[in-house]
Amino acid sequence: RKEVEQDPGPFNVPEGATVAFNCTYSNSASQSFFWYRQDCRKEPKLLMSVYSSGNEDGRFTAQLNRASQYISLLIRDSKLSDSATYLCVVNLDDNQGGKLIFGQGTELSVKP
Amino acid sequence: EPEVTQTPSHQVTQMGQEVILRCVPISNHLYFYWYRQILGQKVEFLVSFYNNEISEKSEIFDDQFSVERPDGSNFTLKIRSTKLEDSAMYFCASSDPWDRGKAEAFFGQGTRLTVV
Repeated sequence: RKEVEQDPGPFNVPEGATVAFNCTYSNSASQSFFWYRQDCRKEPKLLMSVYSSGNEDGRFTAQLNRASQYISLLIRDSKLSDSATYLCVVNLDDNQGGKLIFGQGTELSVKP
Repeated sequence: EPEVTQTPSHQVTQMGQEVILRCVPISNHLYFYWYRQILGQKVEFLVSFYNNEISEKSEIFDDQFSVERPDGSNFTLKIRSTKLEDSAMYFCASSDPWDRGKAEAFFGQGTRLTVV
């Protein structure tokens, strides 16, 4: 079983749509969770951390279900600039120094 | 805004040659990392470095790889005797030890290594 598993997509959505990405992780000892965004041939950039209580940052909402080992990202009112690959990332540590384990990424394409 | 910088942005080398990829982490960060991404594949952890020593390494990070912090600002990845399968984007990252509970890393723009 993959350590972090995502639907690779692509998700093709019109501007203004709501889109949801899901991710599962295999190691129940994982402590911290993130969504990163990666544009084509660029570096991963942190989009948001994911907390057990769920958290929101503008149009983006992240949820974590530790019991199911499941992480989600919801993007509301999609913009053309949201087109990118979204990476689900986990860390076995909740402090510094631990390695990040990346999923394959889910590709999003927002069309006019 | 502080950022991680990497040089060169693109390196072409012949199989069997040695390459050194260079990184300048964010100045107050103390944890440093190398990751790689083969084209079309996921980002993979190679090594983490703290207090002038390797704190963790992956199976990929075998004897052909080494890391060094030669001075107070640079962090390097050396690949001895490169192979075709070493062709990938190599990302350097750093994180802040005082950023408790976040464990997030900031990535450089990457060095694209092509082994021919």
